Amino acid sequence: AQRVTQPEKLLSVFKGAPVELKCNYSYSGSPELFWYVQYSRQRLQLLLRHISRESIKGFTADLNKGETSFHLKKPFAQEEDSAMYYCALYNFNKFYFGSGTKLNVKP
Amino acid sequence: NAGVTQTPKFQVLKTGQSMTLQCAQDMNHEYMSWYRQDPGMGLRLIHYSVGAGITDQGEVPNGYNVSRSTTEDFPLRLLSAAPSQTSVYFCASSLGQGKEGYTFGSGTRLTVV
Repeated sequence: AQRVTQPEKLLSVFKGAPVELKCNYSYSGSPELFWYVQYSRQRLQLLLRHISRESIKGFTADLNKGETSFHLKKPFAQEEDSAMYYCALYNFNKFYFGSGTKLNVKP
Repeated sequence: NAGVTQTPKFQVLKTGQSMTLQCAQDMNHEYMSWYRQDPGMGLRLIHYSVGAGITDQGEVPNGYNVSRSTTEDFPLRLLSAAPSQTSVYFCASSLGQGKEGYTFGSGTRLTVV
């Protein structure tokens, strides 16, 4: 069965510090993984997809099939990065979301 | 181009009442879905549709009905509201089967008392 785990409910860092939001998944096939972000009082937005190997707003995520992980990273956090982040796995018409990690970037 | 529009933004219902949450998209997306967002549980899929006339159940379909008579609209009906249905509801759409990622609506915050 598909499952997405985000072990941290809250992550607090200082501005300029590196950030890593953890995401682990369980899936028997080749996963398609995504990160979504929800800023305060806004709708969820697609941040990035593993298949496109892109960097959005300085964030990157690498799929590690051996560790079944898709951690989201940014070398220097900014205050405007404060938001709720969701990792999601796509499988045949359905997205399975993790429980989310709230990132708080302190000045 | 409005994207995905949800109405209402807020709603308070009494236990046992019924209501319909509206969702419309103007991007000609085939795929539409409804999620509920609860603290500590992330987003859970209620129902989804891969095209007009086709719907299917997600993880938590009980207590909800959907229909898809047009490509644009995908309403979610609560048949007899219960306090356990207090949540934030998101509608989302995508071109194709969803592999490109969702476009989300702004959400409906529902409270059942």
